[in-house]
Amino acid sequence: QSVLTQPPSASGTPGQRVTISCSGSSSNIRSNYVYWYQQLPGTAPKLLIYRNNQRPSGVPDRFSGSKSGTSASLAISGLRSEDEADYYCAAWDDSLSGVVFGGGTKLTVL
Amino acid sequence: EVQLVESGGGLVKPGGSLRLSCAASGFTFRNAWMSWVRQAPGKGLEWVGRIKGKTDGGTTDYAAPVKGRFTISRDESKNTLYLQMNSLKTEDTAVYYCTTGEGNSGYFDYWGQGTLVTVSS
Repeated sequence: QSVLTQPPSASGTPGQRVTISCSGSSSNIRSNYVYWYQQLPGTAPKLLIYRNNQRPSGVPDRFSGSKSGTSASLAISGLRSEDEADYYCAAWDDSLSGVVFGGGTKLTVL
Repeated sequence: EVQLVESGGGLVKPGGSLRLSCAASGFTFRNAWMSWVRQAPGKGLEWVGRIKGKTDGGTTDYAAPVKGRFTISRDESKNTLYLQMNSLKTEDTAVYYCTTGEGNSGYFDYWGQGTLVTVSS
C-alpha cells in the first residue's frame, strides 16, 4: 500500500490529452513539492517534472504538472506512442522523514 | 556527463549480507546528496535511504523497512557510494538504483542502470 495514491492504469489515443492523479496528505503533498518520473519498459526512471510544475531541460512541454492541496496531477497533451510507460509521483513526507512514492500508473497509448 | 554505475548485486540466501557499490562521475561527488531507490519485480518504486553531502554533515536516513539492517556510506577518495545490506529478507528482492538528489525532497535527477538483488533459499 503506497502512501501516495495513483490510478493503476490510464489510456488514450494518439493526440489526446490524459491526466494522471496523485493523492496524498498534509504531511507530504500539501507541505512539500511533488515530483514525477517516467519509466519506460526495461529502463531506469527519468525525472519528468520537479517542484510541482517545472520541466527539466529536454522534457517536451507536452508534459505539465500541477498541485492543489493534498493532490497533484500530471497532464500529457498530444499523446504519442512513445509516451507509453509507467509514471510515478513522489514527495518528501514530514511525518515519515523520508521520500514516498505513488504506486505508479501504467499509461497505454491505444 | 553524469554517470552512476551500480554493481554488487546477485543471489543471496535469507539472513545473508550483500554490499552494493555505485561508482559516480561527472559531478562533485563529495557535496552530492545520494539515495538508493529499489523496485521489486513488477512493482513500484520504493525509497531505501540517503546520505547527505560531506559539507552538509554526511548523515544518513533510512526507510522504516530497512532501518537497522541497511547502512549507506560513501568514499570520497573513490567517488563511490555503498549500500551494506544485512539480515536480508525475501522481500528485499529488487533492482536497486543509485540516484543523486537534493534536500528533503523527492528530487532524483540522475539514476544508475540498477543492479538486481535476489534473496532466495
